[in-house]
Amino acid sequence: SQTIHQWPATLVQPVGSPLSLECTVEGTSNPNLYWYRQAAGRGLQLLFYSVGIGQISSEVPQNLSASRPQDRQFILSSKKLLLSDSGFYLCAWSYLSLDEGEQFFGPGTRLTVL
Amino acid sequence: TQLLEQSPQFLSIQEGENLTVYCNSSSVFSSLQWYRQEPGEGPVLLVTVVTGGEVKKLKRLTFQFGDARKDSSLHITAAQPGDTGLYLCAGNNAGNMLTFGGGTRLMVKP
Repeated sequence: SQTIHQWPATLVQPVGSPLSLECTVEGTSNPNLYWYRQAAGRGLQLLFYSVGIGQISSEVPQNLSASRPQDRQFILSSKKLLLSDSGFYLCAWSYLSLDEGEQFFGPGTRLTVL
Repeated sequence: TQLLEQSPQFLSIQEGENLTVYCNSSSVFSSLQWYRQEPGEGPVLLVTVVTGGEVKKLKRLTFQFGDARKDSSLHITAAQPGDTGLYLCAGNNAGNMLTFGGGTRLMVKP
C-alpha cells in the first residue's frame, strides 16, 4: 500500500529564516506530487506540482520554491520566511496516469512564522 | 479559471439531524471528489463520482453528481458527532490538477 510522509509536523520559525519542508511517498513509482497551503478551516491553495524529477510547475508567484530531487521526494523551501507564510502545508500525490484525478494527502505541517 | 463554490460554509447541528452540503460550478468536470478533514490532519478521500447523475452511498453519506457534471451534493442522514470535520469537494478536468471548493465546516453536537 502507498503511504505519504511529511516532516516536521509543526514548525515555529522567525521572520527572515530559511525553510525546508520534506515530503516522501512510499509504495508507488512516478507519482505526481503537489504542495498546497491551507488557511485555517478553509480550502486548499495549490502552490507547486511536479510530474517528474526536476520538473516543477508553480501556480502562485511567492516567496517559496519547490524541488524534486528524487522520484518520491518533494521539498518546499524558502530563503527568507515572511509572516504571511504561516499556515498549514499539505503534500499530496496522485497516479501519473490519471484515472479520476484522486489525490492522497500527507498529514501536513503546521508552520508558524513569528 | 474554474471555481467551485461550497455551501454552507459553516453548519452546526444536533446529533440525529440530516444535512446537505452543496458544491457548485459553472464549469464541467470529468470527475469530482469529496474529502473530509479533521483538525491538524490531511484531507481523506471519501468518494469519487464520475458519471453525470451518479449517486454513491457510503453508510449514512449519499453523494450525487449533477447531470451536467457541474455540481455535486453530499447528504448525511442522522448525523453523529464523529461526522464533525471540514468537508471539501474537488473537481478534476482530466488534467493533473484539482480545483478545490472553499470547504464546509460541520459540527455535530451530541
